[in-house]
Amino acid sequence: GQQVMQIPQYQHVQEGEDFTTYCNSSTTLSNIQWYKQRPGGHPVFLIQLVKSGEVKKQKRLTFQFGEAKKNSSLHITATQTTDVGTYFCAGNSGGYQKVTFGTGTKLQVIP
Amino acid sequence: DAGVIQSPRHEVTEMGQEVTLRCKPISGHNSLFWYRQTMMRGLELLIYFNNNVPIDDSGMPEDRFSAKMPNASFSTLKIQPSEPRDSAVYFCASAGGVETQYFGPGTRLLVL
Repeated sequence: GQQVMQIPQYQHVQEGEDFTTYCNSSTTLSNIQWYKQRPGGHPVFLIQLVKSGEVKKQKRLTFQFGEAKKNSSLHITATQTTDVGTYFCAGNSGGYQKVTFGTGTKLQVIP
Repeated sequence: DAGVIQSPRHEVTEMGQEVTLRCKPISGHNSLFWYRQTMMRGLELLIYFNNNVPIDDSGMPEDRFSAKMPNASFSTLKIQPSEPRDSAVYFCASAGGVETQYFGPGTRLLVL
């Protein structure tokens, strides 16, 4: 079945440093979504990428979808303590609305 | 909009007991998902429904787990009998015409 891996599994950064998490799928995706889960909370949708090579920005967050539509990345510029949480990518290979969630990257920001 | 509603928020039970988790999706959404989250296994899809019909239940661990969606506004996930290894956070999520999923707050289950 489809597998979606993320690296790194954990990341500790000093506040103000940049952060990047990478997502790789074993199969070509029709689209990819990113979610954020705060400690003790539930996953919250951030964004969806559909086109090959697509780049989207949300304030300090930059999302990229690979040319082959098998990988994606999330980059946070100048991290803040409010960025703490686990970031998941979720890939859709087509058909209904089922997505496969990645393994997640847990971000800790040190003030 | 109240979002996805789950109950109970916390459940502590003893091994062998039946556990029923409940979910009310966002009104108008046609897909509903049940996930289980643990430290060891991450976020796992257990089952999802489209228009109240189970589409994929390949993630359901074993026969002790069952899920129903009798109507568009209600779903249950039942574990009978429960075991300590079932301890996890169970999330329900719903989706409308696009793939974006909206998660409920989760049910934290502890089986002693």
